[in-house]
Amino acid sequence: QKEVEQNSGPLSVPEGAIASLNCTYSDRGSQSFFWYRQYSGKSPELIMSIYSNGDKEDGRFTAQLNKASQYVSLLIRDSQPSDSATYLCAVEFSGGYNKLIFGAGTRLAVHP
Amino acid sequence: DVKVTQSSRYLVKRTGEKVFLECVQDMDHENMFWYRQDPGLGLRLIYFSYDVKMKEKGDIPEGYSVSREKKERFSLILESASTNQTSMYLCASTQPPGLWKFFGPGTRLTVL
Repeated sequence: QKEVEQNSGPLSVPEGAIASLNCTYSDRGSQSFFWYRQYSGKSPELIMSIYSNGDKEDGRFTAQLNKASQYVSLLIRDSQPSDSATYLCAVEFSGGYNKLIFGAGTRLAVHP
Repeated sequence: DVKVTQSSRYLVKRTGEKVFLECVQDMDHENMFWYRQDPGLGLRLIYFSYDVKMKEKGDIPEGYSVSREKKERFSLILESASTNQTSMYLCASTQPPGLWKFFGPGTRLTVL
């Protein structure tokens, strides 16, 4: 069974701080990794994708990938109350048909 | 603006009823997916389809079936609804290589 693991949280950070969200995955052959933000009652919104080892930055968001450790993370700089949501890590597992497998999500709360 | 639409946002059904959930995409995507989302479990893949009239089981197909008669439409069928199928159902579509950003708004199904 291919797995994606995340801490469920809640992760609570003060406004302006860096929020760090972590994810591990089981399949060494995976090549594509995604972070989604999901507000309560809404569908997931893609915020970052990463395919190569290292860091990828987009505005206040930085995704980090380490394939040797099977680890992907998301950093949110200058956290805002509007960042309060559930963050889902997803991994595209290869082998036959490509499928996107999700972690259970980490709930982030940014307090003023 | 590209879209994935789902037939209902909220649905209430009785145990034993046959339930149809429909998903339509207007992007001419080949790949379509059905997920369910439950608290603490993230999104779990039920079924997916890579072509018209083609279907593959995901991780939790029991109690469900699907139909894809046209490229733009992917239907999820609950043959005999049960209370443990109360959940949020999300449809997604992609065009290979996977750009996993197109999710429908979700259908919150309650089975009484």
